[in-house]
Amino acid sequence: GQNIDQPTEMTATEGAIVQINCTYQTSGFNGLFWYQQHAGEAPTFLSYNVLDGLEEKGRFSSFLSRSKGYSYLLLKELQMKDSASYLCAVEDSNYQLIWGAGTKLIIKP
Amino acid sequence: IAGITQAPTSQILAAGRRMTLRCTQDMRHNAMYWYRQDLGLGLRLIHYSNTAGTTGKGEVPDGYSVSRANTDDFPLTLASAVPSQTSVYFCASSDRVNQPQHFGDGTRLSIL
Repeated sequence: GQNIDQPTEMTATEGAIVQINCTYQTSGFNGLFWYQQHAGEAPTFLSYNVLDGLEEKGRFSSFLSRSKGYSYLLLKELQMKDSASYLCAVEDSNYQLIWGAGTKLIIKP
Repeated sequence: IAGITQAPTSQILAAGRRMTLRCTQDMRHNAMYWYRQDLGLGLRLIHYSNTAGTTGKGEVPDGYSVSRANTDDFPLTLASAVPSQTSVYFCASSDRVNQPQHFGDGTRLSIL
């Protein structure tokens, strides 16, 4: 079966750095997406990785290792507005997205 | 403002009733999707359409139907609602595969 694993919840301090991990087992791989979802709102796109390595976009970076079935999202200089759920999704061999349950990130002052 | 519009925003529905959730996009995206999101679970794909005139089944299609008569509209119909269909429903679109999906604001549906 297809499976995406993420921690359920993480807590971090404002101004700090946090890494959210995602491991996956899917039928094929055509890319990995990270989305942010604030409570009661729609998911919004953060990053996309299809090749191994690090993609940096401002305070957010995303890393991919296809051989390990592993990705992480790195958030730097955390702000209170970063409190949200972070969703990992893998595009499988049928080009459909398989979604993890999301990681709820709580930022404390 | 370009994007995806879903209607209604929320609805309470009696079991056994028929309900259509509306989704319209103005980005001229080829692909559209319907997901449901339940607490503790990831988004689950109900149905999708890669282009106007075609549709396909996702992970959890039973009890739902869709149509894609044109590029902009992708309605989702519950023929006879059951309580297990209580969920938040998101419509999304993308220009093509390997491209980010853009989501509507969701419809919160409660079946009693």
